Amino acid sequence: RKEVEQDPGPFNVPEGATVAFNCTYSNSASQSFFWYRQDCRKEPKLLMSVYSSGNEDGRFTAQLNRASQYISLLIRDSKLSDSATYLCVALQGTGGFKTIFGAGTRLFVKA
Amino acid sequence: EADIYQTPRYLVIGTGKKITLECSQTMGHDKMYWYQQDPGMELHLIHYSYGVNSTEKGDLSSESTVSRIRTEHFPLTLESARPSHTSQYLCASTRGTGGEYGYTFGSGTRLTVV
Repeated sequence: RKEVEQDPGPFNVPEGATVAFNCTYSNSASQSFFWYRQDCRKEPKLLMSVYSSGNEDGRFTAQLNRASQYISLLIRDSKLSDSATYLCVALQGTGGFKTIFGAGTRLFVKA
Repeated sequence: EADIYQTPRYLVIGTGKKITLECSQTMGHDKMYWYQQDPGMELHLIHYSYGVNSTEKGDLSSESTVSRIRTEHFPLTLESARPSHTSQYLCASTRGTGGEYGYTFGSGTRLTVV
């Protein structure tokens, strides 16, 4: 079983739609969590951190559920430019010693 | 504007050749990493460094080596390239004690070994 699991998708949604991705992690020692965005044939870029209380950045909302060991990313009012792969990342141990990347969820936003 | 640079961007090379993938960052980060990523797959850590003269192997078994003689420079060397080394190699750096501030990635090197 992978330490960080994501639905690979693809998610195909129309512009303006709301879409949500979930990510589960198996190691309860995971301390910190992030969402990265990776465009096709490009490098990953940090999208947002995920805080225990949940956090929002514009159209993007991240949630953490430690009891069920999953994190989520909600994208409201999807834009064509949101089309990308979204990577879930978990840091384990103090000081973020071990970083686990999920394989990503692909999103296609259609006009 | 990139603060971490990787060269070459693409490389096609024959089996048995020695190659060095370059990575430099201008952010003064102590911690640097090399990841390998195949299409549609997760990133796998192959080497990391917590500062000058510090290098460690990551989770993925690798036939590569790294060096960290200067803070800004973290090259990766394959002594004898093989087709199984065909992949994308991503260099990253971060501030702080680990990845808690997120990683900044270079644009990657796409390596093809024929």
